Amino acid sequence: GDKVKQSPSALSLQEGTNSALRCNFSIAATTVQWFLQNPRGSLINLFYLVPGTKENGRLKSAFDSKESYSTLHIRDAQLEDSGTYFCAADYNQGKLIFGQGTKLSIKP
Amino acid sequence: AQTIHQWPVAEIKAVGSPLSLGCTIKGKSSPNLYWYWQATGGTLQQLFYSITVGQVESVVQLNLSASRPKDDQFILSTEKLLLSHSGFYLCAWSPGRGYAEQFFGPGTRLTVL
Repeated sequence: GDKVKQSPSALSLQEGTNSALRCNFSIAATTVQWFLQNPRGSLINLFYLVPGTKENGRLKSAFDSKESYSTLHIRDAQLEDSGTYFCAADYNQGKLIFGQGTKLSIKP
Repeated sequence: AQTIHQWPVAEIKAVGSPLSLGCTIKGKSSPNLYWYWQATGGTLQQLFYSITVGQVESVVQLNLSASRPKDDQFILSTEKLLLSHSGFYLCAWSPGRGYAEQFFGPGTRLTVL
């Protein structure tokens, strides 16, 4: 089965609302990364996490290694937040396994 | 600041033809380098990684090979393309050894006809 399960697979939000994305791991992830892939395909680094929490502007992310999950919260969604969000778990010093992605659409 | 460059930007190739994709990282010595593949609409899958010149480890077998001829260069190739090789190829780097953040290049879009 999937070693990194990401949910939801797609999400449509009204501008100005909040959302939460989640990844569950069936492997022992040591670190987690969150990315935003834009329509051109470029991967933008959002967070690199050891167990704990980080915040950057309207984004906040947490990684709980004991419960094997990570979350990404988006506050006050803007049009430029649209794209596909990926989480990736590092289970062996550089070997990343990606989730299936969450396609996020923000509507004005 | 480190920069990562991939070439070509896009390729259209025939089934059975050879392929060579390149990746160069500037501004960082002895990086770890990685190749990833993404099917259209799909997720990313790590193919190869290298921690030093001349050393490459395969993670997933897709009838592709990789080489690291220089500290700052990573090459992905095959002698015979398959339709299933179509997709988006991304190169990534991370500093040093162990667990570290990975940073991705702009990617090469490959269409095999």
